[in-house]
Parts: sequence; structure tokens; C-alpha cells
Amino acid sequence: NAGVTQTPKFQVLKTGQSMTLQCAQDMNHNSMYWYRQDPGMGLRLIYYSASEGTTDKGEVPNGYNVSRLNKREFSLRLESAAPSQTSVYFCASRVWGNTGELFFGEGSRLTVL
Amino acid sequence: DAKTTQPNSMESNEEEPVHLPCNHSTISGTDYIHWYRQLPSQGPEYVIHGLTSNVNNRMASLAIAEDRKSSTLILHRATLRDAAVYYCIRLLLGQNFVFGPGTRLSVLP
Repeated sequence: NAGVTQTPKFQVLKTGQSMTLQCAQDMNHNSMYWYRQDPGMGLRLIYYSASEGTTDKGEVPNGYNVSRLNKREFSLRLESAAPSQTSVYFCASRVWGNTGELFFGEGSRLTVL
Repeated sequence: DAKTTQPNSMESNEEEPVHLPCNHSTISGTDYIHWYRQLPSQGPEYVIHGLTSNVNNRMASLAIAEDRKSSTLILHRATLRDAAVYYCIRLLLGQNFVFGPGTRLSVLP
């Protein structure tokens, strides 16, 4: 049982390049999330998908797009990377509701030069 | 505003109990209190959650004040592995988790 799997774990990009972060969960959760965490700070929500077929903006969506490919997979795309997007990105999933706990992936460390 | 208030940092000695406070003075009746922790270089992990009464699990206990405006996460015997950032989150009905800066717990041997 892998839980939440993110790829890649590390990536270095040049300004203006694009890339996609992949996330998959095997817990049959209906809700999935992308957070970013900058050094010494808490997590900020970028986008989420409450259920398959829906996506919504979080606190910091600018510069990102997402795709909920199916119930298992939720990808995050940077169309034109900027240095301000240098961060650690976490994918998470859970059962929607007030008691469903969040399960996180190990994170993807992205550096934009 | 769904934010909670926690001390920036706390210290504890190994094998002693730790009480991590959290203030959520604007909480409403359907909001749950969740606690997560983040070990160094890892994603956050679930610790415990509750609504009105005190809760216990294998990791910790959660004591919720009678007026629900504050809560305390209790680690009964801190170990070095408990050194982490602890996040107290007020989860509003139908909303998402909002992570603040949390409390950085240091455990001294």
C-alpha cells in the first residue's frame, strides 16, 4: 500500500520552462490537494479537487494549472516557471468531510533558476 | 477567519510530557480541531482530531476546552522523534485545511 506517491522528487528548471508534477493515491480517496511550502513557512493550498471531475483554486493558484485525470491521479502544471515558484510541493488526499484525515506524499523539491 | 494561534516554538525534555496549546476563539459548533505534525524533510502527518470531548489515540491526547475556544495537544512522553512542527487546524464544514506556521517543538535529550 503506497499511499500518496509524487514524482519527481527533485527538479531544477530554468525560468520560462514548463513541467508537470504527478501525484497518485491508492486509497480510493475522493479529494486531492496540491500545497506548496516555502522555507520556514506553513503549507499554502494551490489547487484542490473535492471529487473526480472538479477542481478549484486555493490560496495561491496563480501560475499553476491542475488536472484531475481520474480518481487516483491529480497533476500540477507550471506552464512558465518563475523563481518565485521555487518551493517544496506536497500532494495530499483524503475522504471529503470534517473528519477525513489528510494523507501527504513525500514532497517534490522544485528549484527555478 | 479560520486561523488558529499557536506559540512559535516550545522545548521539552525527553521522556517528559508536552502540552502544546492552540487558540481558536472564533470556532463554531461544527468545526473540528485537527492536529498534524511535520518531521524534518517530510510531509505532514495526521496526529489527532476532535470536536467537543477529549480524544486519545496511540500518538497523543487532545484536550478541548469546555467553551471550545482553545485546545491542547498532549504528548505523554516526548521522544527525540517527536521533534517536529505541530499544526493546529480548525476545519470548517465543507472547507479545506488551512495550515498556519505551527509550533516548532524541540526535544532535549
